[in-house]
Amino acid sequence: AQSVAQPEDQVNVAEGNPLTVKCTYSVSGNPYLFWYVQYPNRGLQFLLKYITGDNLVKGSYGFEAEFNKSQTSFHLKKPSALVSDSALYFCAVRVTSGTYKYIFGTGTRLKVLA
Amino acid sequence: GAVVSQHPSRVICKSGTSVKIECRSLDFQATTMFWYRQFPKQSLMLMATSNEGSKATYEQGVEKDKFLINHASLTLSTLTVTSAHPEDSSFYICSARVMGASSYNEQFFGPGTRLTVL
Repeated sequence: AQSVAQPEDQVNVAEGNPLTVKCTYSVSGNPYLFWYVQYPNRGLQFLLKYITGDNLVKGSYGFEAEFNKSQTSFHLKKPSALVSDSALYFCAVRVTSGTYKYIFGTGTRLKVLA
Repeated sequence: GAVVSQHPSRVICKSGTSVKIECRSLDFQATTMFWYRQFPKQSLMLMATSNEGSKATYEQGVEKDKFLINHASLTLSTLTVTSAHPEDSSFYICSARVMGASSYNEQFFGPGTRLTVL
């Protein structure tokens, strides 16, 4: 079965420090991986995706993610965190059965402290 | 581009009534839309896949007679919660795929609708 795991419910980081939000996946076939961010009472905003190619993917708002096939991971990173980055982050994998469905991780709440 | 809207953003209703939530793709056509449900501090759970002009495909455990989905046009899908009960209170989010887009393209999400059933 295909699945996504986000092992941390919450990540705290000081403003200006680098941040990492972890995601591991389990899929059959090639993974199509996505990161989304959700602000309170809002829908999800797309940050970045990995389909193929370079393992380091750059996305919106200075975020990037590194695809690691051997570790089946797709961790989200940012070199210097901002207080405004505080939000709920979801990792998702697209189901490969042709239905375009996503399976979401449980989400990680990022708190950037001033 | 690729904006998805939902209406209403917030609705409070009495138990036993029905509530309709609209999901619109504002600047693109969407043959496929998805409906999710999100409980507080939890992830998104896919309820159903809505395809324009055909019946929706419901996920296991989702009552299709309770959550009626209609995708009558390429820019509009509706979710009707029939005979709502307090346990149906939740945050409902829709998403859409751009028609004709590569299967690798991301989905675009609406801002969500918070339903409270008294």
